[in-house]
Amino acid sequence: DTGVSQNPRHKITKRGQNVTFRCDPISEHNRLYWYRQTLGQGPEFLTYFQNEAQLEKSRLLSDRFSAERPKGSFSTLEIQRTEQGDSAMYLCASSSLAPTDTQYFGPGTRLTVL
Amino acid sequence: SQKIEQNSEALNIQEGKTATLTCNYTNYSPAYLQWYRQDPGRGPVFLLLIRENEKEKRKERLKVTFDTTLKQSLFHITASQPADSATYLCALSREGGFQKLVFGTGTRLLVSP
Repeated sequence: DTGVSQNPRHKITKRGQNVTFRCDPISEHNRLYWYRQTLGQGPEFLTYFQNEAQLEKSRLLSDRFSAERPKGSFSTLEIQRTEQGDSAMYLCASSSLAPTDTQYFGPGTRLTVL
Repeated sequence: SQKIEQNSEALNIQEGKTATLTCNYTNYSPAYLQWYRQDPGRGPVFLLLIRENEKEKRKERLKVTFDTTLKQSLFHITASQPADSATYLCALSREGGFQKLVFGTGTRLLVSP
């Protein structure tokens, strides 16, 4: 399958711990996005990469959050000192450079902070 | 601040009927409006994109309308089937550069046999 993959699918952690999620986009896609979705809400934009450059970050992305895409392929999202409010589904999407190209979403990583 | 509203109550319809979902927005001037389907525990799946200068777009049993004066989009599923049961999200984006999608809260559709 050449779709977007995310690992792990589920993560349960204790408050104060650090967690890291991985996203593998569709291989030929230059653009990669991270979104966060809480129960009953639509996804909210967090950050965007074009190749390895992080070009935009939402104000939702506090200093405890960091994202990387070191070689323009897979990406990682790290949350330091997790808080209960960080509990959510973290979604990754990728697309080509065409202005209206479809964003293909992965299955998400569900984070539960106890 | 920008706001995208979708009916938060679930829409229940009988199989074979047409489902109509609404997306209203304020304080936003989108160049594109998209509809996604999301099943429980899964990521959204793209369905249709309509541009601001288009009134209507169709794909198989799906039809989307976009009225920039009313700031509203309607999403229709004709001859609905139980397999169409899911949450449907509308998403807006502006012209230029990457597409930072701004999503509505979604409407859950339940199609009963």
